Amino acid sequence: KQEVTQIPAALSVPEGENLVLNCSFTDSAIYNLQWFRQDPGKGLTSLLLIQSSQREQTSGRLNASLDKSSGRSTLYIAASQPGDSATYLCAVPFSRDDKIIFGKGTRLHILP
Amino acid sequence: DGGITQSPKYLFRKEGQNVTLSCEQNLNHDAMYWYRQDPGQGLRLIYYSQIVNDFQKGDIAEGYSVSREKKESFPLTVTSAQKNPTAFYLCASSMAQVYTEAFFGQGTRLTVV
Repeated sequence: KQEVTQIPAALSVPEGENLVLNCSFTDSAIYNLQWFRQDPGKGLTSLLLIQSSQREQTSGRLNASLDKSSGRSTLYIAASQPGDSATYLCAVPFSRDDKIIFGKGTRLHILP
Repeated sequence: DGGITQSPKYLFRKEGQNVTLSCEQNLNHDAMYWYRQDPGQGLRLIYYSQIVNDFQKGDIAEGYSVSREKKESFPLTVTSAQKNPTAFYLCASSMAQVYTEAFFGQGTRLTVV
């Protein structure tokens, strides 16, 4: 069964710290990997899309890496701010059956 | 503006009733998806469709039904067979197979009263 796992489940850090969120997946046959942000009670906001042929993708203070062969992606957030507090989800479209599977998310709290 | 629209935003259902959640997109996307989210949980796949008149069960399809009669529409019916339907429902669309970014609607919050 295709599974996506996110570690840690929750994280609290002081403002200004750099941090890393992890996403792992059990099948390397993927189209790409997408990172989303979700604020409480809201829908999803797309942060970064990294194609299966790419190793990295950057947007502002965010950097996503992908190691398809080992089934891992990381989301690096530089100089964290209180406004970064949210749940971060990774989504993986698997090419064997075209399903998009989500991890359970990392709940991030940035302390002012 | 191109996008994906879910309606209604809030929906209340009595026990034993069927309800239908709407999802419409004007992005010319082939693929559409329905997810369920419970408090503090990630998104679980209910049904997905890669092409008109075809759809597949996801991981938690029991108690739900869908149709895909038009490319731009993928309604989800929550039937009375779904024992615990109170949840947040999200619809998504994307290009099929050669995937680009998946786009999401703003969600429908369903409550059983």
